[in-house]
Amino acid sequence: EPEVTQTPSHQVTQMGQEVILRCVPISNHLYFYWYRQILGQKVEFLVSFYNNEISEKSEIFDDQFSVERPDGSNFTLKIRSTKLEDSAMYFCASSDPGLAGDWGFFGPGTRLTVL
Amino acid sequence: GEDVEQSLFLSVREGDSSVINCTYTDSSSTYLYWYKQEPGAGLQLLTYIFSNMDMKQDQRLTVLLNKKDKHLSLRIADTQTGDSAIYFCAESMSRDDKIIFGKGTRLHILP
Repeated sequence: EPEVTQTPSHQVTQMGQEVILRCVPISNHLYFYWYRQILGQKVEFLVSFYNNEISEKSEIFDDQFSVERPDGSNFTLKIRSTKLEDSAMYFCASSDPGLAGDWGFFGPGTRLTVL
Repeated sequence: GEDVEQSLFLSVREGDSSVINCTYTDSSSTYLYWYKQEPGAGLQLLTYIFSNMDMKQDQRLTVLLNKKDKHLSLRIADTQTGDSAIYFCAESMSRDDKIIFGKGTRLHILP
């Protein structure tokens, strides 16, 4: 069964460093998303991406964040200068909202720890 | 704005039924979801229901939707130790829209 994959599973970085989190969405999906979950809290929407551009972003997704689809398979989230409060689990999701499509499926997550 | 509310904890004896409740505020929500998250793991989509449905059953899971009261529930029949997890209620306006999550209900199974 197709699934969303994410790498790495755990990333540790120093405050102020740049990190790139990687996702491989399900192959025929057209919509891509990033969410984050701070430990013990709810899952929060960050950004959605369609047709090579951001379609919606939350107030969390400030200038420190960017997303890219560098090739036909990867979808990345970059945090330019990490802060302690960026420590969280980051989930990627993708969807094919067509009538016979799949949606609502998330990857296993990347745990980001900022020291 | 959009909001999803659910109680934080539920304890149930093994073999009993668990009922997890949720309320949402956005009347234009079209899709309502239940996700399961085991400790340290990702988000597993358990089931979803369209807003024009009242009920959906899938093996041990029964979802009830009261659209008038904006109330969603998940019933797990014959609760097992493997059902111990956090259950998130969530909603979206369309299949390509962002998904809004509740804070999650931690289900604890008593022996």
